[in-house]
Amino acid sequence: QVHLVESGGGVVQPGGSLRLSCAASGFRFSSYAIHWVRQAPGKGLEWVAVIWHDGSKEIYADSVKGRFIISRDNSENKLFLQMNSLGADDTAIYYCTRGVWSATMGAYFDYWGQGTLVTASS
Amino acid sequence: DIQLTQSPSFLSASVGDRVSITCRASQGISSSLVWYQQKPGKAPKLLIYAASTLQSGVPSRFSGSGFGTEFTLTISGLQPEDFATYCCQQVETYPFTFGPGTKVDIK
Repeated sequence: QVHLVESGGGVVQPGGSLRLSCAASGFRFSSYAIHWVRQAPGKGLEWVAVIWHDGSKEIYADSVKGRFIISRDNSENKLFLQMNSLGADDTAIYYCTRGVWSATMGAYFDYWGQGTLVTASS
Repeated sequence: DIQLTQSPSFLSASVGDRVSITCRASQGISSSLVWYQQKPGKAPKLLIYAASTLQSGVPSRFSGSGFGTEFTLTISGLQPEDFATYCCQQVETYPFTFGPGTKVDIK
């Protein structure tokens, strides 16, 4: 059974840093791209970043580029999101989600974690 | 970036109703459109991918259609557990943008 469990959220002062983790189980972690998606309180979903299955490529949303770093440890089945220079606009629930892609069906996110709340506030 | 709009933003319906939600893309995205359902306090749940392919385990009352810039999610025979927010996502080009969501509420 596929499980994704996020951790590391909390309250941080504006300008501060936080590192999120996502522990995966129940599937071959090293075969899948993994994404971070966030949702500000009462707002819609915002795609944040993706890392390729082997860690060879990362892509970021413009809103976090240069401040956030996505990484993974395939030996530990873990995904990370290093978040720096946090501001109020980064306050959100952060979800990790498994990305599936095929040439015929395109991409989609089939399993999601329960999310971890990040609050940037003084 | 590709922008997605959804209509309506809010929909009030009764159990048994047939409802449709539209998602429009700012440029053509072929069939690269995904639909999710989200309930309060929960993570999104995948419903449909490639515009019209039903995810395993999702009831057949859910269906998707469309190509290019206009897409539709239809629920045929609304059930009590279907009252939720529905969101589309384009997966044609990064960044994989989401629509703003449509909340389906009980009339």
